[in-house]
Amino acid sequence: AQSVTQLDSHVSVSEGTPVLLRCNYSSSYSPSLFWYVQHPNKGLQLLLKYTSAATLVKGINGFEAEFKKSETSFHLTKPSAHMSDAAEYFCVVSTNDYKLSFGAGTTVTVRA
Amino acid sequence: DAGVIQSPRHEVTEMGQEVTLRCKPISGHNSLFWYRQTMMRGLELLIYFNNNVPIDDSGMPEDRFSAKMPNASFSTLKIQPSEPRDSAVYFCASSAASEAFFGQGTRLTVV
Repeated sequence: AQSVTQLDSHVSVSEGTPVLLRCNYSSSYSPSLFWYVQHPNKGLQLLLKYTSAATLVKGINGFEAEFKKSETSFHLTKPSAHMSDAAEYFCVVSTNDYKLSFGAGTTVTVRA
Repeated sequence: DAGVIQSPRHEVTEMGQEVTLRCKPISGHNSLFWYRQTMMRGLELLIYFNNNVPIDDSGMPEDRFSAKMPNASFSTLKIQPSEPRDSAVYFCASSAASEAFFGQGTRLTVV
């Protein structure tokens, strides 16, 4: 069985400050992990993915995430938030059968 | 490639009517997923196809929902009869390996 827990349902940051979105997972197998972003009234766009290569993964728009097996975590960070980062972010885990399990999502608000 | 294509983008229908949502996956992808997104329950997996075969349909809410994938380039999700509680955004996604690509979604409103 696999599952994902996003520890914050809502994160609010000021423009130009760091963003941290927390994700913990559980999986019976070696997982693949992803972060997706969804802007209002849009589909889901892949930000980055971890598939058992480098544990620090860089994605689009300046985001990166670090896979920590000992902590079963895959937190998403960005050094400096932009207004355009306001969106909902989903942490996702996938096992060998390609079934995706989504976290509940974290809504990011960026204050000017 | 144009990505995953869903149609229609918006659908408004009356309770009791049949609704058919369509999806064209990315060419070469062998996995296809239908998801439903609501404010109350977030993203829910409805059904998962691999090589056109339904592998897991445990997320299909009830018998009013059915999904088909007659070939590798087309899938449908049908609701018959539709009810107001079916109002949601329905996403189709396809995958060749571990990474899934999502369509823009169909916003369904049942009145």
